Amino acid sequence: DTEVTQTPKHLVMGMTNKKSLKCEQHMGHRAMYWYKQKAKKPPELMFVYSYEKLSINESVPSRFSPECPNSSLLNLHLHALQPEDSALYLCASSHPSSGRGDEQYFGPGTRLTVT
Amino acid sequence: LAKTTQPISMDSYEGQEVNITCSHNNIATNDYITWYQQFPSQGPRFIIQGYKTKVTNEVASLFIPADRKSSTLSLPRVSLSDTAVYYCLVGDPGGGNKLTFGTGTQLKVEL
Repeated sequence: DTEVTQTPKHLVMGMTNKKSLKCEQHMGHRAMYWYKQKAKKPPELMFVYSYEKLSINESVPSRFSPECPNSSLLNLHLHALQPEDSALYLCASSHPSSGRGDEQYFGPGTRLTVT
Repeated sequence: LAKTTQPISMDSYEGQEVNITCSHNNIATNDYITWYQQFPSQGPRFIIQGYKTKVTNEVASLFIPADRKSSTLSLPRVSLSDTAVYYCLVGDPGGGNKLTFGTGTQLKVEL
């Protein structure tokens, strides 16, 4: 199984809503990532979890709250978002290896629209 | 902070070799260079990765000069299905280095 799954595929939420994005992988990877991608732009790294611990937070606003409940699951909790947060949110996973880059497996993304 | 740039777009014909360059002047010692392919409404898909010199797999080659300030992805014989956006990614999350995607190159392959 070399698949990263993300739910939901699409999400429309108001600025006062609370919602969560979910990511799952069963490849035994111990590094998981959240990226944000705006239209016609490259993905921008938001968070990295390594062995279920947050290892990188790229100065993301607190209205985005990541959670890694176990080695297979990654959540992104959303609260009080702004319309400019509308984007494709991508999850990825890889084997973490110190001193070496690793192939990341990406999910299909969640298309988020904030109204 | 590393700024990673690529040509915005490239056009090619089926059967031709395509070379896409990525400039990463501020690459760090521990950074690797990885190339991904992305189709519309999909997540990026791994193509190839390298640290220096040349790497080849069944779909592509990656050329990295000695100074590592640039890299070139070579697709040997493109087909229509290779029409996609190609990104280079520089960094090493295992070492805590920032991961930076390049600006992306839209490759269009025609008959």
